[in-house]
Amino acid sequence: DAGVTQSPTHLIKTRGQHVTLRCSPISGHKSVSWYQQVLGQGPQFIFQYYEKEERGRGNFPDRFSARQFPNYSSELNVNALLLGDSALYLCASTRSGTTGGELFFGEGSRLTVL
Amino acid sequence: AQSVTQPDIHITVSEGASLELRCNYSYGATPYLFWYVQSPGQGLQLLLKYFSGDTLVQGIKGFEAEFKRSQSSFNLRKPSVHWSDAAEYFCAVISGTYKYIFGTGTRLKVLA
Repeated sequence: DAGVTQSPTHLIKTRGQHVTLRCSPISGHKSVSWYQQVLGQGPQFIFQYYEKEERGRGNFPDRFSARQFPNYSSELNVNALLLGDSALYLCASTRSGTTGGELFFGEGSRLTVL
Repeated sequence: AQSVTQPDIHITVSEGASLELRCNYSYGATPYLFWYVQSPGQGLQLLLKYFSGDTLVQGIKGFEAEFKRSQSSFNLRKPSVHWSDAAEYFCAVISGTYKYIFGTGTRLKVLA
């Protein structure tokens, strides 16, 4: 079975631009979470979606938004990019939205903002 | 607020030596605790998790971890390290039902 897939794997943007990152969860998984991992840090929670509804949001500005589609894939959008948005963006899926579900991570999308 | 501390940024061990990676957490209730490993260019992979019950949990790749409530710790151990274990290791706790809080990670280097 395919794991969590993310695209693109690498991208370079300039300040002020917009970026869309995509994620396909493992088949049968209904929950998708997004994390930001800045170099030298652990992943920081951005969003979780379950059954196409936002269940939680981390401490990120409104420039960050996401959505989940009927097929459970997800997009993360970041507007008005800042240099500090340069990071590895990780998508993770879980089968359900219950507590303690194992997160299955994709390999991430590495964003560089110049 | 919940938090996870991994006091060792880097650890170097010789192949075949034992390993212990430290993790301390701050959480009011009984925590759900995890250890993940991240190899270069890879996503995170779950090594093991603790929810309740036996405080010594076994994971994949020969890793184990012990939950000590009195010390607020969940240290990861392996009796004999292999060169392929070189990676970054993250301890995490669940906050609420869905938000994982990760530590800053410990980068493990294995000497041949």
